[in-house]
Amino acid sequence: ETGVTQSPTHLIKTRGQQVTLRCSSQSGHNTVSWYQQALGQGPQFIFQYYREEENGRGNFPPRFSGLQFPNYSSELNVNALELDDSALYLCASSPGGERGGTQYFGPGTRLLVL
Amino acid sequence: KQEVTQIPAALSVPEGENLVLNCSFTDSAIYNLQWFRQDPGKGLTSLLLIQSSQREQTSGRLNASLDKSSGRSTLYIAASQPGDSATYLCAAPLNDYKLSFGAGTTVTVRA
Repeated sequence: ETGVTQSPTHLIKTRGQQVTLRCSSQSGHNTVSWYQQALGQGPQFIFQYYREEENGRGNFPPRFSGLQFPNYSSELNVNALELDDSALYLCASSPGGERGGTQYFGPGTRLLVL
Repeated sequence: KQEVTQIPAALSVPEGENLVLNCSFTDSAIYNLQWFRQDPGKGLTSLLLIQSSQREQTSGRLNASLDKSSGRSTLYIAASQPGDSATYLCAAPLNDYKLSFGAGTTVTVRA
């Protein structure tokens, strides 16, 4: 069974640029959540996708957008990058349809904005 | 809104000592409570999940308790080893998708 994978592992961008991060969910999981983790802090919920539809959003501006594909993989897009967007971006998948089920996290993408 | 707090922020113990990590949350209407481990620069590994109807969960040397009425959970790690050195995070979601995390407790086990 393949776990949650994310690409790329590291990324360096400059302020104002756009970035796309990718996540492949664990086999059999139809729900993907994205989190932002700044250094020394706990992860903050960005949004979740369930069966290709957004299923909840945290307190992030519209320049953070996402997508889920028919195979349940997902993308996180961030436009007009700001220095504060530098963080570890974590993707988590879960089986869906199971209230309160465990979310399985990928290794993350570390984004540095200069 | 759920606020999750973990105290202390850091902990250093000699090998073999038992570890006690604390997590408190403000809203007791939680779906469950999860404990995660995070190694430096890595993703999160789920350790234990306690459903809201449960009072504790055990896995090997790990035991987690949940007291919803007081808004607290405790993770116990017995007979700590240097390999237990990591940051431990708890998450207490109010619904089935948005995990609300604490900032974590960074544990160092000295050989």
